[in-house]
Amino acid sequence: GAVVSQHPSRVICKSGTSVKIECRSLDFQATTMFWYRQFPKQSLMLMATSNEGSKATYEQGVEKDKFLINHASLTLSTLTVTSAHPEDSSFYICSAREWGFDGPYNEQFFGPGTRLTVL
Amino acid sequence: EDKVVQSPLSLVVHEGDTVTLNCSYEVTNFRSLLWYKQEKKAPTFLFMLTSSGIEKKSGRLSSILDKKELFSILNITATQTGDSAVYLCAVNWGERGGADGLTFGKGTHLIIQP
Repeated sequence: GAVVSQHPSRVICKSGTSVKIECRSLDFQATTMFWYRQFPKQSLMLMATSNEGSKATYEQGVEKDKFLINHASLTLSTLTVTSAHPEDSSFYICSAREWGFDGPYNEQFFGPGTRLTVL
Repeated sequence: EDKVVQSPLSLVVHEGDTVTLNCSYEVTNFRSLLWYKQEKKAPTFLFMLTSSGIEKKSGRLSSILDKKELFSILNITATQTGDSAVYLCAVNWGERGGADGLTFGKGTHLIIQP
């Protein structure tokens, strides 16, 4: 099946610094990648939808200037948490959808997630 | 506002029991319903359902969708301790050719006791 990787798997940073998380589709081309955040014992919350070559679409309540998303190629999307604060500590998960599927019936493949801790 | 509601939120059963997990939804522009199993890290895909009344099966797991009543169930028979996980239901919404996304339910935390 399709494989999605994330890097790093875990990061600890100081408050005020920026952190970049990479999401890669390893064996397929992903026209669309999604970024989710999951707090402990809660479900995944969609943060933004990223289409290759265009600006990301952010969900209500997600600050686009704080969570910068770049989807520069069909296999790579990055999420940069700028000026991170302790409340940004969370589990960030990306998912990718394969190029070539038409219609509405395609599944998303998830990366393993990145645990961000901001001190 | 789109909603996906799962029940129960938590369930503890003994090994060998059969469990049924529920997912109801209210979304605009429904495309499909997906079930995921989440253990320690990211969710792993179980089923994608698009048509009413057609059961999907994979080993001891099965699922069915009712688009009229807007719900789906996930059944696990002869449960094993390895089935212990959070089971997430998600609905893919969006217009054909347009933007879309997944809305997740809160999950059912299933614990299988030996």
